[in-house]
Amino acid sequence: EAGVTQFPSHSVIEKGQTVTLRCDPISGHDNLYWYRRVMGKEIKFLLHFVKESKQDESGMPNNRFLAERTGGTYSTLKVQPAELEDSGVYFCASSQGLGGGAFFGQGTRLTVV
Amino acid sequence: GENVEQHPSTLSVQEGDSAVIKCTYSDSASNYFPWYKQELGKRPQLIIDIRSNVGEKKDQRIAVTLNKTAKHFSLHITETQPEDSAVYFCAASIRAGGTSYGKLTFGQGTILTVHP
Repeated sequence: EAGVTQFPSHSVIEKGQTVTLRCDPISGHDNLYWYRRVMGKEIKFLLHFVKESKQDESGMPNNRFLAERTGGTYSTLKVQPAELEDSGVYFCASSQGLGGGAFFGQGTRLTVV
Repeated sequence: GENVEQHPSTLSVQEGDSAVIKCTYSDSASNYFPWYKQELGKRPQLIIDIRSNVGEKKDQRIAVTLNKTAKHFSLHITETQPEDSAVYFCAASIRAGGTSYGKLTFGQGTILTVHP
């Protein structure tokens, strides 16, 4: 069974540009989460999808971040325009409907210069 | 909101010794506590979890204990091996009845180094 897959693994962009990160969850997992780890600090929650609906987006830092999960399969996280403080590792995780642990992808390392 | 504190931030042990990492949480409604291991350059990997209806869970050399009254939980690794070296994260989450677990609130991480 394939795990959670994220693309790209690394991205270097200039301040003001746009970047789109993609996450493919484990097949059949209704729950999809985005997290971010900045500068060696703790991993912080961004948002949670249940199928195609946003269940909780309380961790989204500001309106420069837009997450979508059309059709309830893969998800994208767009940052527009990117700022220096957006640099970090963005993780996606998925879990089954009830009671299942969350499985993480390998992360996308975003560097804004 | 929930706040999770994790200690120590670094832990160095000799191969064969035991390692203990401790976490405290603030929200008494939290009822799910997973532990993740992240090796350098790899994804966080779920290694063990515990739900609030039990006080201890074991899986081979690792165990987790939970004290709901004191709101703390710990990871115990026995007979450590060099391949146990990694960053370990604790987390807490709330599952409302009939729904999936919500967001994980993570601790700051513990860098464990096991010396041969």
